[in-house]
Amino acid sequence: NAGVTQTPKFRVLKTGQSMTLLCAQDMNHEYMYWYRQDPGMGLRLIHYSVGEGTTAKGEVPDGYNVSRLKKQNFLLGLESAAPSQTSVYFCASSWGVGPYNEQFFGPGTRLTVL
Amino acid sequence: AQSVTQLGSHVSVSEGALVLLRCNYSSSVPPYLFWYVQYPNQGLQLLLKYTSAATLVKGINGFEAEFKKSETSFHLTKPSAHMSDAAEYFCAVVPGYQKVTFGTGTKLQVIP
Repeated sequence: NAGVTQTPKFRVLKTGQSMTLLCAQDMNHEYMYWYRQDPGMGLRLIHYSVGEGTTAKGEVPDGYNVSRLKKQNFLLGLESAAPSQTSVYFCASSWGVGPYNEQFFGPGTRLTVL
Repeated sequence: AQSVTQLGSHVSVSEGALVLLRCNYSSSVPPYLFWYVQYPNQGLQLLLKYTSAATLVKGINGFEAEFKKSETSFHLTKPSAHMSDAAEYFCAVVPGYQKVTFGTGTKLQVIP
């Protein structure tokens, strides 16, 4: 099993450009998450999904959109990139919530917005 | 609202010394607690979790943590540090069936 995979691994954008980050998991998990990681701030939840066809806002959703058309995939879109969106983005998935909220993380995407 | 505080953004220990990484939480309902480790340029991976069974939880790589309700703490320990333990460690709290909140992380440096 590949676990959680993310593409691309690195990307450089110019301000105003758009892009989509793809996350895929092969563990049949219901829950999927997108986080951003910035120095000294830990992980902050951008959006999450509790099942195919559902999405919800997390802590820092502005400037991002997501879609979960298939259970195994969770896409994160940046409509008009800004330098403040320079970060490392992690996708994660979990079986459930509460004690079942062990999250499995992808390797990350390092995004730089110039 | 729940929160989690990790005291010390950087901790340095000598190889073979005790590792102690601190985590305190606040939660209005009984929490589930997790420790994750992140090696350079990788995603996070689970070290151990507390799910209301035993208060002393053993994880991978010789790490363990003790849930102390009276102190609202879930500190991570390892008796003897190894060079391979150098990484960033994140504590996370899940209050009941709510969303997870991660701490800001503690970078562990192991000095030979």
